Amino acid sequence: AQSVTQLGSHVSVSEGALVLLRCNYSSSVPPYLFWYVQYPNQGLQLLLKYTSAATLVKGINGFEAEFKKSETSFHLTKPSAHMSDAAEYFCAVSLGSQGNLIFGKGTKLSVKP
Amino acid sequence: EAGVAQSPRYKIIEKRQSVAFWCNPISGHATLYWYQQILGQGPKLLIQFQNNGVVDDSQLPKDRFSAERLKGVDSTLKIQPAKLEDSAVYLCASSSTRARTEAFFGQGTRLTVV
Repeated sequence: AQSVTQLGSHVSVSEGALVLLRCNYSSSVPPYLFWYVQYPNQGLQLLLKYTSAATLVKGINGFEAEFKKSETSFHLTKPSAHMSDAAEYFCAVSLGSQGNLIFGKGTKLSVKP
Repeated sequence: EAGVAQSPRYKIIEKRQSVAFWCNPISGHATLYWYQQILGQGPKLLIQFQNNGVVDDSQLPKDRFSAERLKGVDSTLKIQPAKLEDSAVYLCASSSTRARTEAFFGQGTRLTVV
């Protein structure tokens, strides 16, 4: 069965510092992986997705993620945090060919001035 | 392109009452999902439709939850009777029929059961 584990329910960084949000997955078939961002009282917005093409995926707002099959990881990074990046981030794996998503528990990112 | 529309945005009801949520997906999206997001957790799939047929409702508490998508477009999720543990954000999402395309989410309905 597919599953996603996000390490760290809360990450705090200073403005301008590197952002690293960790995600490990478990899947019996080649996975499709996604990162979504959720701002307070909003729905989820897609940041980026891995669909078995390039292992380094670039997304919106300067975020990127690297698919590492040997480590079963899909960590999200951004070189320099902005205050506007403060939000909750969810990693998700696609189940089967139907596209329904299994989400991790989320990581809340705080950015200090 | 208009996004996924949901209403209402907020709802407060007493336990044992009934409530209904409405979702209108992105035009042309055949697949529609309802997710439940409890505070502090990731969204959990309740039900998935392909056009007006149910693809997956294995995690829908069928004794109290029901959903329909009669004309293959908009959808309604109902809870009757509501329990305290149903307090959550209910997210609707839609995607195209191409395999593993991303889902687009609405803003959600925040339900509080008191």
